[in-house]
Amino acid sequence: DTGVSQNPRHKITKRGQNVTFRCDPISEHNRLYWYRQTLGQGPEFLTYFQNEAQLEKSRLLSDRFSAERPKGSFSTLEIQRTEQGDSAMYLCASSGTGGHQPQHFGDGTRLSIL
Amino acid sequence: DQQVKQNSPSLSVQEGRISILNCDYTNSMFDYFLWYKKYPAEGPTFLISISSIKDKNEDGRFTVFLNKSAKHLSLHIVPSQPGDSAVYFCAARWLSGSEKLVFGKGTKLTVNP
Repeated sequence: DTGVSQNPRHKITKRGQNVTFRCDPISEHNRLYWYRQTLGQGPEFLTYFQNEAQLEKSRLLSDRFSAERPKGSFSTLEIQRTEQGDSAMYLCASSGTGGHQPQHFGDGTRLSIL
Repeated sequence: DQQVKQNSPSLSVQEGRISILNCDYTNSMFDYFLWYKKYPAEGPTFLISISSIKDKNEDGRFTVFLNKSAKHLSLHIVPSQPGDSAVYFCAARWLSGSEKLVFGKGTKLTVNP
């Protein structure tokens, strides 16, 4: 049983560079979510997809952030012109639909901005 | 403004005893509540959940209690084991219109052998 897979696990980059993260959800799940977690805080919601449609976006998702799920399977999260404040753990989760379905998380991508 | 609050940053218990982790929420439109456990360098792992139509849900050593009038839920772990040592997050989801989870800041549980 394959869980949610995220790549890379760690990303170190210089301020101003663009970065892209990938998430592969649990295969039978059609909902996919992105969260961000900083030290001492719980995960904060960024956006979610049902199949390929992006149905909800947080105000945290500035115009430098873009997420895609082109074929309704894997998703990418891109951050353009990274800033120091973007340093965080980026978590992906997936779930099924219908009733109360828990979200299952990957191990995240830790982003460090130099 | 935190809508889901875990007021105890840490909790320490002896192996074999009960661990009780607490969570308060402010929004009465939350209808589904979840507990996650997180080890260092790993993502949150789903533990147990409860819908607002219930007041208790059990799964093995884990029981979640929901008190809607007090806007309070708790996670009981009995008996506690050293492997339960982790950060526990409470999360909530709205009745409709959003699929996002709102998380508390977490409580670090240490179970001493």
